[in-house]
Amino acid sequence: DAKTTQPNSMESNEEEPVHLPCNHSTISGTDYIHWYRQLPSQGPEYVIHGLTSNVNNRMASLAIAEDRKSSTLILHRATLRDAAVYYCILRDQAGTDKLIFGTGTRLQVFP
Amino acid sequence: DTGVSQDPRHKITKRGQNVTFRCDPISEHNRLYWYRQTLGQGPEFLTYFQNEAQLEKSRLLSDRFSAERPKGSFSTLEIQRTEQGDSAMYLCAQALTSGNTGELFFGEGSRLTVL
Repeated sequence: DAKTTQPNSMESNEEEPVHLPCNHSTISGTDYIHWYRQLPSQGPEYVIHGLTSNVNNRMASLAIAEDRKSSTLILHRATLRDAAVYYCILRDQAGTDKLIFGTGTRLQVFP
Repeated sequence: DTGVSQDPRHKITKRGQNVTFRCDPISEHNRLYWYRQTLGQGPEFLTYFQNEAQLEKSRLLSDRFSAERPKGSFSTLEIQRTEQGDSAMYLCAQALTSGNTGELFFGEGSRLTVL
C-alpha cells in the first residue's frame, strides 16, 4: 500500500482556517485519498475523500494537487471540537477494502 | 454515535486469561473490520469479514486471536492466553456500501488492559 507523510502536530486558534498537509508521492492512478479524524476516546470518523478533483462537504474541503502527489485538508473555521488526530489514507480502488492508517497529525485548537 | 456498538468498553484482565469482545454493526451483512490501536499509534488492521466469510487476516493476528461473524451479523474477537502486549484499544468498523470509496463507520472501541 502506498504511504502518506503528515506532520506530527499542528496548532490553530479557534475560528481560524486550518490547512492540514499530506504527501503521497507514490500514489497510484487508482488510489483514492481518504481523510479520517479521531477525537479523544472515540473511534475514527470519516471526513472526506477524493480522487482527482477538489471536494467539499459540510465538514471540510479537500484540495488535491494536480500531480496528486500531495493533498490538503482544509477546515474553514476551526472549533474546539475539531481538536483531533487527522489521518490521511490512500485507498486502492482496485485493491483490498481495508484502510491503512499512519500516525496522523494531532491538531490542537486554542480558544 | 455511529450505530456500531462494542462491548465491553473496558476490560481489565490478568495475563493468561481469555477475553472476548463483541461488535454489533449497524446492519447485517456488508463488510465488518477489526482494528487494534496502541497509544500514540494509528489503528492497525487485524481482519475483515464480508457477511460471515473472513476474507483477510493480518499477520498481526496470531494464533491466539480468533474472530467470528456467525450469520453475517454481530462479530466477536477472542484473545486466548492474553499477554501484556495485547493491551490496546480494539476497534470494530463497518462499511455499508460496496467498493473502496465508501466510508467506514467505527465503534467507540473496547479498551483492554492486561496486568
